[in-house]
Amino acid sequence: EDQVTQSPEALRLQEGESSSLNCSYTVSGLRGLFWYRQDPGKGPEFLFTLYSAGEEKEKERLKATLTKKESFLHITAPKPEDSATYLCAVGGDSNYQLIWGAGTKLIIKP
Amino acid sequence: DTAVSQTPKYLVTQMGNDKSIKCEQNLGHDTMYWYKQDSKKFLKIMFSYNNKELIINETVPNRFSPKSPDKAHLNLHINSLELGDSAVYFCASSQDQTGRRQYFGAGTRLSVL
Repeated sequence: EDQVTQSPEALRLQEGESSSLNCSYTVSGLRGLFWYRQDPGKGPEFLFTLYSAGEEKEKERLKATLTKKESFLHITAPKPEDSATYLCAVGGDSNYQLIWGAGTKLIIKP
Repeated sequence: DTAVSQTPKYLVTQMGNDKSIKCEQNLGHDTMYWYKQDSKKFLKIMFSYNNKELIINETVPNRFSPKSPDKAHLNLHINSLELGDSAVYFCASSQDQTGRRQYFGAGTRLSVL
């Protein structure tokens, strides 16, 4: 069964303190792994798509990496405005559905 | 100009009532979705339409009925509301049914009392 597990559930960091969020997945035939950001009271907002192991994508202070079993979202020198819930989703080749993780709530304290 | 807009943003109603949520996208996308996000933040796909055709119909009570009058609109009607239906419902769209990048509305918070 396709599955996505994100860890930790919540992460509190000081401004400037770098860290990583984890997304572990099992899927039959990875079609793509997706990272989204969700702010309170809003819908998820697309960040990255990764398609194959070894691929990396960067955007400002965020960098997403992918292996055959997991993806990491590295955040470098975060700022308070990076506080949000980060969601990971995977698409397999059996259908067009995305399987979503429960998210990691990231809090950056000034 | 909001890309994916859904109304209402909040919906408070009594058990047993019937309610509808509307969604519109102005991105020219072919595919639209309804998701349910529970209190634990899991996003679960409910339905997906591609060019007005139902392509994903997850195990959802038949009290939930989607309708797509055209590819820019996807509405959700819920009959005989139950307490367990309380959640945030998100509409989303993507260019095609591969769903590589989905654009979400702001959500409708449904509270059933």
